[in-house]
Parts: sequence; C-alpha cells; structure tokens
Amino acid sequence: DAKTTQPNSMESNEEEPVHLPCNHSTISGTDYIHWYRQLPSQGPEYVIHGLTSNVNNRMASLAIAEDRKSSTLILHRATLRDAAVYYCILRDVMSGTSYGKLTFGQGTILTVHP
Amino acid sequence: NAGVTQTPKFQVLKTGQSMTLQCAQDMNHNSMYWYRQDPGMGLRLIYYSASEGTTDKGEVPNGYNVSRLNKREFSLRLESAAPSQTSVYFCASIRERYEAFFGQGTRLTVV
Repeated sequence: DAKTTQPNSMESNEEEPVHLPCNHSTISGTDYIHWYRQLPSQGPEYVIHGLTSNVNNRMASLAIAEDRKSSTLILHRATLRDAAVYYCILRDVMSGTSYGKLTFGQGTILTVHP
Repeated sequence: NAGVTQTPKFQVLKTGQSMTLQCAQDMNHNSMYWYRQDPGMGLRLIYYSASEGTTDKGEVPNGYNVSRLNKREFSLRLESAAPSQTSVYFCASIRERYEAFFGQGTRLTVV
C-alpha cells in the first residue's frame, strides 16, 4: 500500500482557515486520496476524497497537486468542534472487488484555539 | 438509520477468557473491517471482509478470528484474551470505493 506523510500536529485559531498537508510521493494512478478525522473518544468520520481534481463538500475542500504527490485538506473556518486527529489515506480502487484496504497512519492532531 | 452498531461498548476480561465482538451494518455494504486502536496510536487493521463469505488478514491478525456471518454481520473473536489485546476496537462498513462508516467502538480491557 502506498504511504502518506503528515505533520504530527498543527494548531489554528477559531474561525481561521486551516490547511492540513499530506505527502504521498509513491501514489499510483488508481489510488484515491481519502481524508478521515477522529474526534476524541469517537470512531473515525469520513471527511472527503478525490482522485485528480479538487473537491468540495459541506465539511471541507481537498486540493490535489497536479502531479498528485501531495494534497491539502482545507477547513475554511475552523471551529472548536474541528479539533481532532486528521488522517490522510490512499486507497486503491482497482483491486478487484475489495477496492483496496483502508490503512490508517498516525495522522495530524489539530488543536483549535478559541 | 443505525449505520454501524457494535456490541458490547465496554468489556473487561480476565486473561485466557474468550469473547466475541459483534458488528452489524444496515447499509447493504459489501466490505466490512475490524480495527484496533491503542492509546495515542492510529488504527491498525486486524481483519477485513471484501464480501460475504470472504475474509482476509490485515496488519495484526494474530490472536483473533473473524466470521462474516452474512452481509450485515461481521464478528471478531478473541479465543484466549491477553493483556496485549487491551484496546479500543472499531468496526467499519465501506461503501465500495467511497466512504467508510465506523461504529462507536468497543473498549476492551484484559486483566
């Protein structure tokens, strides 16, 4: 499975934008980039995913580099409820019926200050 | 919709005891996964099932067995619990190439 590299921690102030980076230099052409987050004492929660083009949804935006070797999760206005561990994961969607395993790394701990 | 339901939510076992963690999903997904998460760590994949009737090992399968009982249910069994298996266990159901849905977890302590 292709690996991702994320900073161990980041800090932000409430109502400011947050850019969470992820490097994935060994990404293959069939790997989707997924982001999940895990709030304290909860199971992980899906945030967003994409393949080549930038993606937006109600929670966040995903900016994917042209060479796909890095991506950035953008929270447009951080709130205290966004404090969580954010995981960047590559998932191969061409591995037959399994669509590739969902393998978590260490993630980035995001702290949001009031 | 209930999504992914895990039972029990909490459990304390003595070393050597056995137990089964239950997971059920009501979203008609083919793929289901079991993870464990130790304090301060990320999730590690124990076993997964790409479809009904199939199971495969993940990163840390030793000491565990699984059963994909039907499309809805995927259980994880500890035959002889050890203190090293103290962890939070998460079950997930995955909508094909899209997002995964996680249960709230089972907090297991082995003493």
